[in-house]
Amino acid sequence: QLQLQESGPGLVKPSETLSLTCTVSGGPISTSSCYWGWIRQPPGKGLEWIGTVYYTGTTFYNPSLKSRVTISVDTSKNQFSLKLRSMTAVDTAVYYCVRHPYDTGGPFDYWGQGTLVTVSS
Amino acid sequence: EIVMTQSPATLSVSPGEGATLSCRASQSVSSNLAWYKHKPGQAPRLLIYGASTRATDIPARFSGSGSGTEFTLSISSLQSEDFAVYYCQHYSNWPLTFGGGTKVEIK
Repeated sequence: QLQLQESGPGLVKPSETLSLTCTVSGGPISTSSCYWGWIRQPPGKGLEWIGTVYYTGTTFYNPSLKSRVTISVDTSKNQFSLKLRSMTAVDTAVYYCVRHPYDTGGPFDYWGQGTLVTVSS
Repeated sequence: EIVMTQSPATLSVSPGEGATLSCRASQSVSSNLAWYKHKPGQAPRLLIYGASTRATDIPARFSGSGSGTEFTLSISSLQSEDFAVYYCQHYSNWPLTFGGGTKVEIK
């Protein structure tokens, strides 16, 4: 059974960079059939796709966040990571890592449990 | 960017009754449309993909329909576990976008 688990700090100071890692277990990240992505949900708001990476390193980003986001993959550790720079209070959210099929681009069929990231000094 | 619009924002339903949720895309997404159920403290769960195909282990009381720009999620005979927020999402092209959600609450 495929499982995804987010890890990283729960508190980030304004202007700093958020770094989150998603560890994939139960299957290889270096599969040609899947993309790996990040989604977030600010408190009281809806879901927002942040970006997606393929095992080759090819990335796709939400245009609204593209200037601040880097998503990368480490196939040797079966992990992929999110970096979001210049964090502000509006970036406070639950961050989920997800899997979605390569052939269609979606939908998001496996989700991590989510990790709450708060931006505060 | 394709904008997904869901209606209504909130739907009050009695247990055992049915519910119909709507999702509209600002341009055609063909059948590249998914529905998710999201309960507080849990990760969203995929219900429907390809506009009408139930995901693994999803009960038959959930059904999806539509194509192009207009989509519907129908839930027959709501159970206690069905009261949640439901999101639609397109995967027709990049960027992937979600609707704002419909909260199904107990009447």
